[in-house]
Amino acid sequence: AQRVTQPEKLLSVFKGAPVELKCNYSYSGSPELFWYVQYSRQRLQLLLRHISRESIKGFTADLNKGETSFHLKKPFAQEEDSAMYYCALGTTSGTYKYIFGTGTRLKVLA
Amino acid sequence: DTEVTQTPKHLVMGMTNKKSLKCEQHMGHRAMYWYKQKAKKPPELMFVYSYEKLSINESVPSRFSPECPNSSLLNLHLHALQPEDSALYLCASSQFFLGGRGPARSYNEQFFGPGTRLTVL
Repeated sequence: AQRVTQPEKLLSVFKGAPVELKCNYSYSGSPELFWYVQYSRQRLQLLLRHISRESIKGFTADLNKGETSFHLKKPFAQEEDSAMYYCALGTTSGTYKYIFGTGTRLKVLA
Repeated sequence: DTEVTQTPKHLVMGMTNKKSLKCEQHMGHRAMYWYKQKAKKPPELMFVYSYEKLSINESVPSRFSPECPNSSLLNLHLHALQPEDSALYLCASSQFFLGGRGPARSYNEQFFGPGTRLTVL
């Protein structure tokens, strides 16, 4: 069965420190992977998708098929990065599934 | 207009009531989605509509009845709900959704609405 695992419920870092939010997936096919972010009192919005290989707000994420991971990274955290981050997987064969991980709350401390 | 709107923001209903949630987008997206999100949990996909036709039903109980009257609107009709159905209901849309004979996949990002907070008494 497909699964998305975000092992950390809460991650606290100091401003300027590097950030890595972990995401591991389980899927036998070729996945579509996404990172969504939800700032306080705002709606869920897409941050990154693996097919774009882009950097948004200084965040990057690389798909590692060998380790089945799609970790989100930023070299220098900012206070405005504090939010809830969800990793999501979309299947590309068979019955369609779009699965969110349980989320990691990032707190960037001044 | 680049937003997905949802009404109402909050809804309280009894177990015998019939109510509807509404979702609207004017981005020309041809795929629309309903998700359910319980407190401190991730969103769970309920339904996917593609070109106004139901493509995915994630084994949702029949007391939830979706409807897509046109390409911009998506409704969720509620009847005889249970207290455990209390949750945040999110609507989303994406440019399109490939289904049918080929592999089903969501194309491009999903744009989410702010949600309707539903309480069933």
